[in-house]
Amino acid sequence: AQTVTQSQPEMSVQEAETVTLSCTYDTSESDYYLFWYKQPPSRQMILVIRQEAYKQQNATENRFSVNFQKAAKSFSLKISDSQLGDAAMYFCALCGANSKLTFGKGITLSVRP
Amino acid sequence: GAVVSQHPSWVICKSGTSVKIECRSLDFQATTMFWYRQFPKKSLMLMATSNEGSKATYEQGVEKDKFLINHASLTLSTLTVTSAHPEDSSFYICSAFPPGQGYQPQHFGDGTRLSIL
Repeated sequence: AQTVTQSQPEMSVQEAETVTLSCTYDTSESDYYLFWYKQPPSRQMILVIRQEAYKQQNATENRFSVNFQKAAKSFSLKISDSQLGDAAMYFCALCGANSKLTFGKGITLSVRP
Repeated sequence: GAVVSQHPSWVICKSGTSVKIECRSLDFQATTMFWYRQFPKKSLMLMATSNEGSKATYEQGVEKDKFLINHASLTLSTLTVTSAHPEDSSFYICSAFPPGQGYQPQHFGDGTRLSIL
C-alpha cells in the first residue's frame, strides 16, 4: 500500500517570501512518480510540478521547485517569491505502477500582503 | 491539450433522486478514468477506476450499487449516484490521462458539487 503524509494542515507566508511545504511518502515500488497539485477556491486541480523517482535531479518550474530525498522518502515543495495567487490548498501525491494517485491530506497556504 | 470536461458543475436535488455526472476527455481517448470524492477542506479519495468496455474497479468501502459507473466509449465515463441522500452531498472529481509513450500525468475535470436536500 502507498501512503502520503502531509503533517502541516496550514501555513502562512509573507508576499515575496519563500515557503516550503513538506511531504513524506511510503511505497514498496521502485518506479513511481510524485506530484504537487494546487487547488484554489475554485476547486480546480492544477498540476504544479512532478518528479520521476528515477531522476536524481530535483524538478523546477519557474518559482516552484522540489527537494526530493529518495532515501528519506521526502518530497518537499519550495515556493519562491510568493504571490497572492499562490494562496490555495496544496496536495502532495504519489502514483505507482497501477496509475492510481494517492493524495496526502493537503495543506492550506495563505499569503499575507 | 489533454482537456477533461465534467458536467454538471453544480447540481441540487431532492433526496431520493438519482444524479448522473459526466466526464469527457475532449481531445484524447481515455481507456481509463478515475472518480474521486472530496469533502470540504479534505483530500481527494479515490472511489473507483473506470475502464472502457469493462466493469469499473471500486475501492474498498465504496458501494457499487450506490455509485454506478459506465464507461461506454473512449471519451466518456459517467457516475450515477442512485437514490441520493444528504450524506451523498460532496464534491466529485474525475480524471483521465492521455495515451502515449512513457508516463502521462492525470488531467482533472473541474468537479461537480452535489447537494442533496
